[in-house]
Amino acid sequence: DAKTTQPNSMESNEEEPVHLPCNHSTISGTDYIHWYRQLPSQGPEYVIHGLTSNVNNRMASLAIAEDRKSSTLILHRATLRDAAVYYCILRAPLNALNFGKGTSLLVTP
Amino acid sequence: DARVTQTPRHKVTEMGQEVTMRCQPILGHNTVFWYRQTMMQGLELLAYFRNRAPLDDSGMPKDRFSAEMPDATLATLKIQPSEPRDSAVYFCASGLAPGRANTEAFFGQGTRLTVV
Repeated sequence: DAKTTQPNSMESNEEEPVHLPCNHSTISGTDYIHWYRQLPSQGPEYVIHGLTSNVNNRMASLAIAEDRKSSTLILHRATLRDAAVYYCILRAPLNALNFGKGTSLLVTP
Repeated sequence: DARVTQTPRHKVTEMGQEVTMRCQPILGHNTVFWYRQTMMQGLELLAYFRNRAPLDDSGMPKDRFSAEMPDATLATLKIQPSEPRDSAVYFCASGLAPGRANTEAFFGQGTRLTVV
């Protein structure tokens, strides 16, 4: 499985945008980039995914580099409820999700 | 509101006892995953079923763990005999077959297992 590299932790102020980076230099052409997050004492929840083009949904935006070797999850306006561990995962066809350590996001008022 | 249901939510058992965790996937989903989460190891994939057949259980200790899907509405993870090192939160997730890896997985709330 191709690996991802994320910062261990990041901090943001409430109501400000947050950019969570992910490096995946060994990504293959068929790997989708998935983001999940895990709130305290909860199971992981899906945030967004993409292949080549940038993606937007009600939760976040995903910006994918042109060479696909990195991506950035963008939370447009962080709230206290967004404090969680964010996982960037490369998913190959027919494969399960393999979680790394993720980035622990702290949101301060 | 469709969701993955796991039972029990908490389980405390003595070393050597059998433990069975159950998962009800979302209706219509044909893919089920079992994960284990500890502080040290993070989220580890234990087993992965598609259309009730095991696709990958390489992450599961075979001597004491077993995973099955008796039918499309029930997945079970069994530990026999249980050991203190099995203490963890066990998550079940379900989804549609990831033919092109572009489908999402839905996770349950987990079963917190403590083996004393």
